[in-house]
Amino acid sequence: GAVVSQHPSRVICKSGTSVKIECRSLDFQATTMFWYRQFPKKSLMLMATSNEGSKATYEQGVEKDKFLINHASLTLSTLTVTSAHPEDSSFYICSARPFRQGFGHEQYFGPGTRLTVT
Amino acid sequence: AQSVTQLGSHVSVSEGALVLLRCNYSSSVPPYLFWYVQYPNQGLQLLLKYTTGATLVKGINGFEAEFKKSETSFHLTKPSAHMSDAAEYFCAVSSGYSTLTFGKGTMLLVSP
Repeated sequence: GAVVSQHPSRVICKSGTSVKIECRSLDFQATTMFWYRQFPKKSLMLMATSNEGSKATYEQGVEKDKFLINHASLTLSTLTVTSAHPEDSSFYICSARPFRQGFGHEQYFGPGTRLTVT
Repeated sequence: AQSVTQLGSHVSVSEGALVLLRCNYSSSVPPYLFWYVQYPNQGLQLLLKYTTGATLVKGINGFEAEFKKSETSFHLTKPSAHMSDAAEYFCAVSSGYSTLTFGKGTMLLVSP
């Protein structure tokens, strides 16, 4: 149980184009989903917290107009990198927290999406 | 505010040796503590967690961790390392907020 998928697993795009990454909780409902960015040999940096049916909460320094997050249902959140540039190349990981679990309970992580912008 | 410090960006052990990965945290409220493992180009897998109750927590793959409030520590141990344990390990804390704060990670290297 508690499986989170991400699609695509790997994407290469040209500079200036937009890329959408999907995060799905496959066997549970997730009130809250999180988007992280991980640079090589670095820890995870929380980008935003996404609650179903409401606007995402972005961490300081993360451009909300560049990283569009939509959490349309209890099992799906999407991250769209708009007008991507080479510096946006990174490993993006989502996680989901099961419905009705409160603060402090574990998050289940997706397998990550490797984005390369050329 | 909450933070996590993982001592040692790399830890090397021989196969069969004890594994000890250190984690210290700071939190203004009682913490929830987690250890995650990450294999190359993959997401994070939960190894174990401490929320309340017993301070010695057992997880998957033979790992365990002990919550020591007086030392603000949550070190991860395994009695006997296996080659398949080679990976990046992250300690994380959540303390009444909805978000996890991760340490910088420790790469575990296992030699034959």
